[in-house]
Amino acid sequence: GAVVSQHPSWVICKSGTSVKIECRSLDFQATTMFWYRQFPKQSLMLMATSNEGSKATYEQGVEKDKFLINHASLTLSTLTVTSAHPEDSSFYICSARDPVAAYGYTFGSGTRLTVV
Amino acid sequence: AQKVTQVQTEISVVEKEDVTLDCVYETRDTTYYLFWYKQPPSGELVFLIRRNSFDEQNEISGRYSWNFQKSTSSFNFTITASQVVDSAVYFCALSDQTGANNLFFGTGTRLTVIP
Repeated sequence: GAVVSQHPSWVICKSGTSVKIECRSLDFQATTMFWYRQFPKQSLMLMATSNEGSKATYEQGVEKDKFLINHASLTLSTLTVTSAHPEDSSFYICSARDPVAAYGYTFGSGTRLTVV
Repeated sequence: AQKVTQVQTEISVVEKEDVTLDCVYETRDTTYYLFWYKQPPSGELVFLIRRNSFDEQNEISGRYSWNFQKSTSSFNFTITASQVVDSAVYFCALSDQTGANNLFFGTGTRLTVIP
């Protein structure tokens, strides 16, 4: 079945530094990928929609200059958290839409970011 | 606008009991998809089911069953003979007919199965 690989699975970084999270579709091409954020004991909230070859579409309230999304190929989307702060600590998870898959959406395994 | 409501924040049951997780949705679309996902403590999302809005047949998969009632906009999930491994957060989600848009998630129900 469709597989989305997300790396790293966890990362600890210092305040002020930047962190890049990768999301790869391994056996299918994903023209659209979604980035979600999940705070502890809360639901998944969409941050942005990543479209291959074009600018990402950000949800209201999400700072595009802080959460840089690049979707340069049909199999890779990256999310870079720039100048990270402790309040950015969260669980970030990507998903890709696989038109062939019976269920349509495949999720990465998530990245737990801790900013100290 | 799409909205998914899971009123049960946390549920605890004793092993082997049956448990039903409720999900109510709102949408203006005539065609849409409903999903259930399981999120164990490790964090990944495990797909459980997708249901097309035109298919109101109930579905059973092992100990899992789903009851889709379009008249009440509900898509409830029942686990029979619960097991400790069922302990997780369960999310109900909704997408529009195109599937090109994202999933709208409910707030999740944390299920704890006590041995």
